Amino acid sequence: KQEVTQIPAALSVPEGENLVLNCSFTDSAIYNLQWFRQDPGKGLTSLLLIQSSQREQTSGRLNASLDKSSGRSTLYIAASQPGDSATYLCFTGFQKLVFGTGTRLLVSP
Amino acid sequence: DAGVTQSPTHLIKTRGQHVTLRCSPISGHKSVSWYQQVLGQGPQFIFQYYEKEERGRGNFPDRFSARQFPNYSSELNVNALLLGDSALYLCASSRGGFSGANVLTFGAGSRLTVL
Repeated sequence: KQEVTQIPAALSVPEGENLVLNCSFTDSAIYNLQWFRQDPGKGLTSLLLIQSSQREQTSGRLNASLDKSSGRSTLYIAASQPGDSATYLCFTGFQKLVFGTGTRLLVSP
Repeated sequence: DAGVTQSPTHLIKTRGQHVTLRCSPISGHKSVSWYQQVLGQGPQFIFQYYEKEERGRGNFPDRFSARQFPNYSSELNVNALLLGDSALYLCASSRGGFSGANVLTFGAGSRLTVL
């Protein structure tokens, strides 16, 4: 059974800091790994998708890495902004799809 | 292009009733998946469909069922509603194959309250 854990559960930082969100999964037989953000009371927005054959993916200030052998993915956010405040979720699976436990990020001005 | 549309956006039911939630995927997307998100928790996978066939199922009771139509839209049905079924139900679509293999686009969700 795939279990996906995210650390930290919550994070509060001042604007401008670089930060790292962690995602760990127990079954390395994954297709891909995706990172999403969710704003309160709203749906999910896809940020990055890393295919199982890739090790890294970048979009703007976001960089995600994937290490299948160790069962880990990290999301790096550079120069954080208040607009980055949201819950960040990693997501993976094949026939059964699993979201991580989430990291609630608050970036203060 | 329209995004993933879900209906209804909000609904209130009583215990024991039945509910049908609907999802229209992005044009060109043939895969649909459903998720339940209880307040304060992450989404839990319910079903995924591709080309009208079920491709995966999460750990939900048989009261939950779904189907995908020839136009790739989908319905999620829940019978004999329980208080614990109160949640935001999210639908996502993707281009093809297994939902985990492609970028997912989510709808805004249907918020179900069971009294």
